[in-house]
Amino acid sequence: AQSVTQPDARVTVSEGASLQLRCKYSYSATPYLFWYVQYPRQGLQLLLKYYSGDPVVQGVNSFEAEFSKSNSSFHLQKASVHWSDSAVYFCALSPTNSAGNKLTFGIGTRVLVRP
Amino acid sequence: AQTIHQWPVAEIKAVGSPLSLGCTIKGKSSPNLYWYWQATGGTLQQLFYSITVGQVESVVQLNLSASRPKDDQFILSTEKLLLSHSGFYLCAWTGDSGNTLYFGEGSRLIVV
Repeated sequence: AQSVTQPDARVTVSEGASLQLRCKYSYSATPYLFWYVQYPRQGLQLLLKYYSGDPVVQGVNSFEAEFSKSNSSFHLQKASVHWSDSAVYFCALSPTNSAGNKLTFGIGTRVLVRP
Repeated sequence: AQTIHQWPVAEIKAVGSPLSLGCTIKGKSSPNLYWYWQATGGTLQQLFYSITVGQVESVVQLNLSASRPKDDQFILSTEKLLLSHSGFYLCAWTGDSGNTLYFGEGSRLIVV
């Protein structure tokens, strides 16, 4: 069975500060990993994805994530946040031998950026 | 570029009334299409997926049904709404890699 754990339900940071959102996964092999962002009353937007290769993945809006096989983690980072980064962030996992019908989401981390 | 459109944007419906939510994707032939449900403040639960016209697989039974009448259209419906159906419904499709989901803007449903 596969699972995704986002241990932080809420994170509050000041504008201009750095941000790290944690994601741990459980899967028997190396999965495909994703980070999505959901702004209020909107659908999910893809921030970045990891399939293979370089463990550091660059995404949109200066986000990046680092895959660690030894730690079973895929943490998301941003060096300097803006108030518009306030949103809910979802980590997701897909087995490498299936299409999107096997995607598993974490519970999400709500980020509040204080001015 | 591909675009995905969901309708309606929001609905307030009475318990026991019927429901139909729609999703249309343009710019992508033969997409895999998905319906997800999100409770307020919650994570996403996959409901249905379809890889071709006329074929729908159910993932979770929530007294809902889905149909794919056209290659670019996916419909979610029920004859009788329950209070527990309230939430945010998201339609999604997979790209050429087959693994990355792209979501629509969602339809918010409040059942009273």
